[in-house]
Amino acid sequence: DAGVTQSPTHLIKTRGQQVTLRCSPKSGHDTVSWYQQALGQGPQFIFQYYEEEERQRGNFPDRFSGHQFPNYSSELNVNALLLGDSALYLCASSFQLDSAYNSPLHFGNGTRLTVT
Amino acid sequence: AQSVTQLGSHVSVSEGALVLLRCNYSSSVPPYLFWYVQYPNQGLQLLLKYTSAATLVKGINGFEAEFKKSETSFHLTKPSAHMSDAAEYFCAVSHGDSGGSNYKLTFGKGTLLTVNP
Repeated sequence: DAGVTQSPTHLIKTRGQQVTLRCSPKSGHDTVSWYQQALGQGPQFIFQYYEEEERQRGNFPDRFSGHQFPNYSSELNVNALLLGDSALYLCASSFQLDSAYNSPLHFGNGTRLTVT
Repeated sequence: AQSVTQLGSHVSVSEGALVLLRCNYSSSVPPYLFWYVQYPNQGLQLLLKYTSAATLVKGINGFEAEFKKSETSFHLTKPSAHMSDAAEYFCAVSHGDSGGSNYKLTFGKGTLLTVNP
């Protein structure tokens, strides 16, 4: 049973560029959430996708956008990269109809983005 | 707004000693609380979760946590530390509809656990 998979594992971009990160949820899960983890900090919620729609959003600018595909996989896009966007980006999946107790978030290993 | 505070960004213990990692929460409603562990260059792995069924929660790898409403705490403990426990530990509280999975987590800043031989 494959867990949450993310690609690529590492990425180096230049300020002003755009980046796309990808996530495949755990088998049986239909909801994908994205988190940003800056160095030395806890993860921060970016947004959540279910049924191909953004359902919740954290305090992140519109430069951060996403997409969910019919197979439940998801992409995170960041435009006009800033140095401060350097972080580990974590994808987490869950099953929408389960409670937080029955369906805790399962995290991938993340994509390490470095902006120079 | 719900939040968690982890006291101590770095905890160092000797192998075989008690591990105590502190977490205090702030929530206007009964919270769902979680502890996650992160090993170097990896994602987060769930250690245990509290959802009001029992105040003492047992998790994986010998860890447990006790929910104390009067102290708004959810400290993580392990009786005897092992070298393999060295990692970063995050306390988190959930928001959203507890009846569904449309929730998000707010994490503390983490506590780095070092285990000395």
